[in-house]
Amino acid sequence: GAGVSQSPSNKVTEKGKDVELRCDPISGHTALYWYRQSLGQGLEFLIYFQGNSAPDKSGLPSDRFSAERTGGSVSTLTIQRTQQEDSAVYLCASSLLDAQEDYTFGSGTRLTVV
Amino acid sequence: RKEVEQDPGPFNVPEGATVAFNCTYSNSASQSFFWYRQDCRKEPKLLMSVYSSGNEDGRFTAQLNRASQYISLLIRDSKLSDSATYLCVVNVHSWGKLQFGAGTQVVVTP
Repeated sequence: GAGVSQSPSNKVTEKGKDVELRCDPISGHTALYWYRQSLGQGLEFLIYFQGNSAPDKSGLPSDRFSAERTGGSVSTLTIQRTQQEDSAVYLCASSLLDAQEDYTFGSGTRLTVV
Repeated sequence: RKEVEQDPGPFNVPEGATVAFNCTYSNSASQSFFWYRQDCRKEPKLLMSVYSSGNEDGRFTAQLNRASQYISLLIRDSKLSDSATYLCVVNVHSWGKLQFGAGTQVVVTP
């Protein structure tokens, strides 16, 4: 597609439920990143994919968070047993190889845990 | 201590005026520097890269001071459309993991 696509755009879930967030990167972009942004805060790095492998998952806050990428394209971020502190905007970005100036963000998924 | 620190503002600027603000970074090994713009409830978008020699893009000028570990952004002849949050972004790695400041809010008033 023309840009990075994320779905859903908004998600309200009950505490304790699992959620899946999806990211469709720009076609041909091999690098994919997940960040989250809490209200009034900067973006917090979660995980980086190069192709289907994740050489850096150091930002995942707990073992309730996991992510995968298949076919070098679509990525899914899964949060198990959601907590209220997981409420944030989850942003995905992709880039061609590691070209930082080619970084493009999706419009994000706003997650609210009630 | 945060790795990238910014004055949150807001900087209230009359239309047509000049505004400038800095950010500081803690890791002296940082390799690349950027300013991103983020509008309310929107995703961040690259405004400009910051080069060692300083660089200009129209009304926007960015400077890098490696010795003091800060970068700056200056906006001349401010427009109402410049109202946004400006994110200072630093890269330490050879690959694309970026470290973001929390942003400086700029409000341009008529």
